[in-house]
Amino acid sequence: QKEVEQDPGPLSVPEGAIVSLNCTYSNSAFQYFMWYRQYSRKGPELLMYTYSSGNKEDGRFTAQVDKSSKYISLFIRDSQPSDSATYLCAMKKNTGFQKLVFGTGTRLLVSP
Amino acid sequence: DAMVIQNPRYQVTQFGKPVTLSCSQTLNHNVMYWYQQKSSQAPKLLFHYYDKDFNNEADTPDNFQSRRPNTSFCFLDIRSPGLGDAAMYLCATGTANTEAFFGQGTRLTVV
Repeated sequence: QKEVEQDPGPLSVPEGAIVSLNCTYSNSAFQYFMWYRQYSRKGPELLMYTYSSGNKEDGRFTAQVDKSSKYISLFIRDSQPSDSATYLCAMKKNTGFQKLVFGTGTRLLVSP
Repeated sequence: DAMVIQNPRYQVTQFGKPVTLSCSQTLNHNVMYWYQQKSSQAPKLLFHYYDKDFNNEADTPDNFQSRRPNTSFCFLDIRSPGLGDAAMYLCATGTANTEAFFGQGTRLTVV
């Protein structure tokens, strides 16, 4: 079993839809959770960074962490064609330096 | 105003011919990472530097080496590239308790 599971998609939605992207994980030691957006042939770009459980909002993006269920989500409101990309979740444990553990990414396609 | 810069963006090398990829950063972060990412896969950590301390992942092939001459620069050396080494190579920087910032990557083709 992988430490982090993420549906590869593709997830196709019409412009303006609310998008929900999700990851599950098995290691309860993970405390820091990140979402990266990666356009084709580019490096990952950090979108959201959260610590422990709860919600964090930034513009059209909301990150949600449910540690009891080992489940994290990224919601995109009013999705745009420019949101079409691969979204990678990543997480790490708490203390000191810890390497990131990535999901495989979900490919999102937003059609005009 | 790029903060993590990778050169070149695209690299074509011959099978077995040594190749070096470079990364520089303006963030003054003490941690630098090299990841390998193959198509439709998660980035895979090859190694990282914490200041000058080099940390190799257990499953990183010996064919991959790295150098960090100073805080700003880090190099990935592939001694004898095979066809299976064709991938996107991502450099990232960070600190002990923050997220990783990635460069744009170098896409390596082996012919």
